[in-house]
Amino acid sequence: DIVLTQSPSTLSLSPGERATLSCRASQSISFSYLAWYQQRRGHTPRLIIHGAFTTAPGIPDRFSGSGSETDFTLTINRLEPEDSAVYYCQHYDNSWTFGQGTKVEIK
Amino acid sequence: QVQLVESGGGLVKPGGSLRLSCAASGFTFTDYYMGWIRQAPGKGLEWVSYISSSGSYTDSADSVKGRFTISRDNAKHSVFLQMNSLRVEDTAVYYCVRERRDLIKGYYHYYLDVWGRGTAVSVSS
Repeated sequence: DIVLTQSPSTLSLSPGERATLSCRASQSISFSYLAWYQQRRGHTPRLIIHGAFTTAPGIPDRFSGSGSETDFTLTINRLEPEDSAVYYCQHYDNSWTFGQGTKVEIK
Repeated sequence: QVQLVESGGGLVKPGGSLRLSCAASGFTFTDYYMGWIRQAPGKGLEWVSYISSSGSYTDSADSVKGRFTISRDNAKHSVFLQMNSLRVEDTAVYYCVRERRDLIKGYYHYYLDVWGRGTAVSVSS
């Protein structure tokens, strides 16, 4: 089974800074099966990126995804207070696997 | 609008049973795989089970296999999760999700694009 490992576990940054979140797969995966979700405190998870690069409808263009094979990145430019959340990567391979999450804190 | 509404959660003793329901609206239900994701208190997201659009194919996580059964009623636009032999470690918020499969520039993208608000299940003596 593929394991997704996210790093760092917590990021603490100031408004306006850039956040770089990593998702590493235990083996090479297809980019098209890799998605990212945002979960604000007390809220339901929300899709932000699918196919590793494609931003979901309604998501600000400050969010972007990149990567291939085993290493994928979610980048959040010009951080805003509303970006404070836990971010999960997820992969489909006849089951749905999630990383353990990265918490982004805005100072 | 597109919506998933879960119900059926509650407090149950270890070894007990619960049946969760998810009512879908605002989209062509029979076009989509559906599933359940859970989140234990203070923990991350864990896949539980999914079901094909026709209901003919299902799969579940090893942690619930043999205890939980997913089903759907396409006429009623609903998905169900029958949970038997519940354990303390099944305590979680259970989210109903819609799986999307899009062909984009020659590649199929698989992702969970709609989530319900969740229903809380607590297993405790």
